[in-house]
Amino acid sequence: EDQVTQSPEALRLQEGESSSLNCSYTVSGLRGLFWYRQDPGKGPEFLFTLYSAGEEKEKERLKATLTKKESFLHITAPKPEDSATYLCAVQARTQGGSEKLVFGKGTKLTVNP
Amino acid sequence: DVKVTQSSRYLVKRTGEKVFLECVQDMDHENMFWYRQDPGLGLRLIYFSYDVKMKEKGDIPEGYSVSREKKERFSLILESASTNQTSMYLCASSTRVNTEAFFGQGTRLTVV
Repeated sequence: EDQVTQSPEALRLQEGESSSLNCSYTVSGLRGLFWYRQDPGKGPEFLFTLYSAGEEKEKERLKATLTKKESFLHITAPKPEDSATYLCAVQARTQGGSEKLVFGKGTKLTVNP
Repeated sequence: DVKVTQSSRYLVKRTGEKVFLECVQDMDHENMFWYRQDPGLGLRLIYFSYDVKMKEKGDIPEGYSVSREKKERFSLILESASTNQTSMYLCASSTRVNTEAFFGQGTRLTVV
């Protein structure tokens, strides 16, 4: 069964304190791994897509990396506005042969000033 | 920019009512999805559609149905609302090939 596990569930950082969020996955033939940011009461906002082991993507203070079993979202010198829940998802095939996203439960990041 | 619009941000309905949640996307995407999001359970797929009039059950379809009569519009129907359907409902769309999905702002449904 396709599965995504994110850790930690919650992370509290001081402004400027770099850290990483983890997303481990099991899927039959990875075709894509996605990172989203979600603010309270809003829909998830797309951040990155990664397709193959060794791939890296960057956006401002965020950098996503991918291995064969997990992905990391590195946050460098975070600011309070980076506080959000970060979701990881993998592309999976349905019983009907279509494609869907399977999400982890997310990591809630709080950055204190 | 891709835009996915859900008809309501907040809804309060009574137990037993038939409830319609509407979603419209403006990027000509083939795929559309309905998820619900609950604390501790994450996003769970209810139904999705890969073409007009085509649909496929997700992981938790019980108590829900969907309708897609036009490519840009995907409706979620709660046939007889129950209190355990109180949740945040999220609509998303994507192209057929690249399943990076774009989400609407969500509908917070409360069933009393």
